[in-house]
Amino acid sequence: GAGVSQSPSNKVTEKGKDVELRCDPISGHTALYWYRQSLGQGLEFLIYFQGNSAPDKSGLPSDRFSAERTGGSVSTLTIQRTQQEDSAVYLCASSQSTDTQYFGPGTRLTVL
Amino acid sequence: KQEVTQIPAALSVPEGENLVLNCSFTDSAIYNLQWFRQDPGKGLTSLLLIQSSQREQTSGRLNASLDKSSGRSTLYIAASQPGDSATYLCAVNSGNTPLVFGKGTRLSVIA
Repeated sequence: GAGVSQSPSNKVTEKGKDVELRCDPISGHTALYWYRQSLGQGLEFLIYFQGNSAPDKSGLPSDRFSAERTGGSVSTLTIQRTQQEDSAVYLCASSQSTDTQYFGPGTRLTVL
Repeated sequence: KQEVTQIPAALSVPEGENLVLNCSFTDSAIYNLQWFRQDPGKGLTSLLLIQSSQREQTSGRLNASLDKSSGRSTLYIAASQPGDSATYLCAVNSGNTPLVFGKGTRLSVIA
């Protein structure tokens, strides 16, 4: 079947604008993760959804970041009032519980 | 707090050579360990997943080992090819938690 998809693949925005990034996980996967990969940095965990449980938001860097997952499937990561340090590749992954995580191609965000 | 370290940070080898990439982690209480490949500007491709009860996994020219008690894993690539050039990432899973990643080893295989 189809893998994890993300949109847009690239996003250029001006400082202070809000952006929304979308993730479509593999059908049937109960867990969904958002990670961020900044230039020269490793992958940084942002937020984690597991089934109907409350999300683990412990990795969100500030209150400008939020995410939701509708109907246990599609997820949207929203960044409000973007800053230049938000520029990074945002990766989404899905899995069945503790099984292999499958990653999407990512969204490259550039904040000018 | 789990920390994952990968050595070396970068590696350049001639085509045909066998090579080993190293990964170490500080907390041995893991469910599994996963090796990924990342090509420039691309997402992550899962290569091998080793459950905590396993010692190794093989896929084609790749072999990954796990020594959970000592907090170490290695990825062995046999008969390297220029197409193997990429960044290789190691990540550990401690249960229903996000993966903790190392910073990767950037591999260049020279023809």
